[in-house]
Amino acid sequence: GDSVTQMEGPVTLSEEAFLTINCTYTATGYPSLFWYVQYPGEGLQLLLKATKADDKGSNKGFEATYRKETTSFHLEKGSVQVSDSAVYFCACANQAGTALIFGKGTTLSVSS
Amino acid sequence: EAGVTQFPSHSVIEKGQTVTLRCDPISGHDNLYWYRRVMGKEIKFLLHFVKESKQDESGMPNNRFLAERTGGTYSTLKVQPAELEDSGVYFCASSPSGRNPESFFGQGTRLTVV
Repeated sequence: GDSVTQMEGPVTLSEEAFLTINCTYTATGYPSLFWYVQYPGEGLQLLLKATKADDKGSNKGFEATYRKETTSFHLEKGSVQVSDSAVYFCACANQAGTALIFGKGTTLSVSS
Repeated sequence: EAGVTQFPSHSVIEKGQTVTLRCDPISGHDNLYWYRRVMGKEIKFLLHFVKESKQDESGMPNNRFLAERTGGTYSTLKVQPAELEDSGVYFCASSPSGRNPESFFGQGTRLTVV
């Protein structure tokens, strides 16, 4: 069945470091892809999305490009801040396009 | 505008007891979802309401789980009787009408069964 695999955490970085969190998916066709973020004590928030191949989603300095050749949607940020410390979830739409399939989540901790 | 609200935020119950979780979606959102994250694992889909109708309940683990959405507004998820493996964080999400998996999530209810 459809699934999402993302790199295991935790990821620990110093402020201003470069961030990459890898995400690959297994699905029939080309589902919409998403990154959600959960800050401490809060619910999940949509960070960015891409709905078709080669689309780039971006928000708050984060970017991810939909790569159908490698079935990947890696999350990147050029310079992380302490406030980026959170859990990041990669997700894809299910076959019906009605619900989300999530990865296990990657905890990011940024220190000053 | 209020976001998705879930009650309670935490619940600790004994095995065999009953617990009811509540979700108030964003006003006007037809789609309402329940998801669950067991410790360290993926967030998994449980079920999907469109208004008051269950559109997809393929993710419900077993018949100890019962979800309702009376009048197409708020939803409840009852676990009866609770088992240890039901522990986890239960998320509710909502989205406007149509095929719209991109959802607004609540803060979740952390359920611990002891």
